[in-house]
Amino acid sequence: ETGVTQTPRHLVMGMTNKKSLKCEQHLGHNAMYWYKQSAKKPLELMFVYSLEERVENNSVPSRFSPECPNSSHLFLHLHTLQPEDSALYLCASSQSPDQPQHFGDGTRLSIL
Amino acid sequence: QQQVKQSPQSLIVQKGGISIINCAYENTAFDYFPWYQQFPGKGPALLIAIRPDVSEKKEGRFTISFNKSAKQFSLHIMDSQPGDSATYFCAARRRVSARQLTFGSGTQLTVLP
Repeated sequence: ETGVTQTPRHLVMGMTNKKSLKCEQHLGHNAMYWYKQSAKKPLELMFVYSLEERVENNSVPSRFSPECPNSSHLFLHLHTLQPEDSALYLCASSQSPDQPQHFGDGTRLSIL
Repeated sequence: QQQVKQSPQSLIVQKGGISIINCAYENTAFDYFPWYQQFPGKGPALLIAIRPDVSEKKEGRFTISFNKSAKQFSLHIMDSQPGDSATYFCAARRRVSARQLTFGSGTQLTVLP
C-alpha cells in the first residue's frame, strides 16, 4: 500500500465552492506537510504539522485552512479559491527532522 | 537568502550520455541537500542526498558533487537511460528549521533512446 495516499487525485471546483483535500500516511511518521506545486516554480511549503503543532507559511492566503486530527491524517479545507490557486497540491510526511520527506502523488486542483 | 537556484530548466540527453543539473544557494545555514525525482502523475521521491562535510556522494549511476566554498551542488547521472526521463528538484534544509525544505524550480530531463 502506498505510504502517503491523497484523495481525490483530481478536483475541479468553482470559486464559490467549498471542498477538502485528504491525506493519509501509513508510515508511522509524526510530521505531515502540505505543498503547492505550480509549473516551473519551486515547491512551496504551505503548512507543517509536527506532534500537533502547526507551522505555516505566512504568505498562504486564509482561504486555505489545514486540519490535522491525528498523526496519520491531514486535511486541506478550501473555500472561495481564485484561478491562481489551480495547481498540484502535495502532501508529505516524515519521521523526524533529519529523515526524508515522503510525498503522496498529489491532488490536481483546477479552479474555474 | 532562502532561495535555491536550479539550472537548466530543461535538458535533453542521448541515451548513454551524462546528465548534469546544477543548483546554487546563498544561505550558509543550509546543512542538508537532497535531490528529488518526479515522474508525471507522481509525487517527488528522494533520490540521493548529501551533507556539506563531504564533497561527493555516489549511489549507482547518480552522483552529487558539492562545492561548499562556491555554495553550489550538482547532480550527475551517468549512462543516462530513457527511464531517467523525469523532473529533478534540488532542495536544501536549514538545521534550525529542520522540517522545512527549500526547493529549486526543477529540471525536466528527457533522455532520447
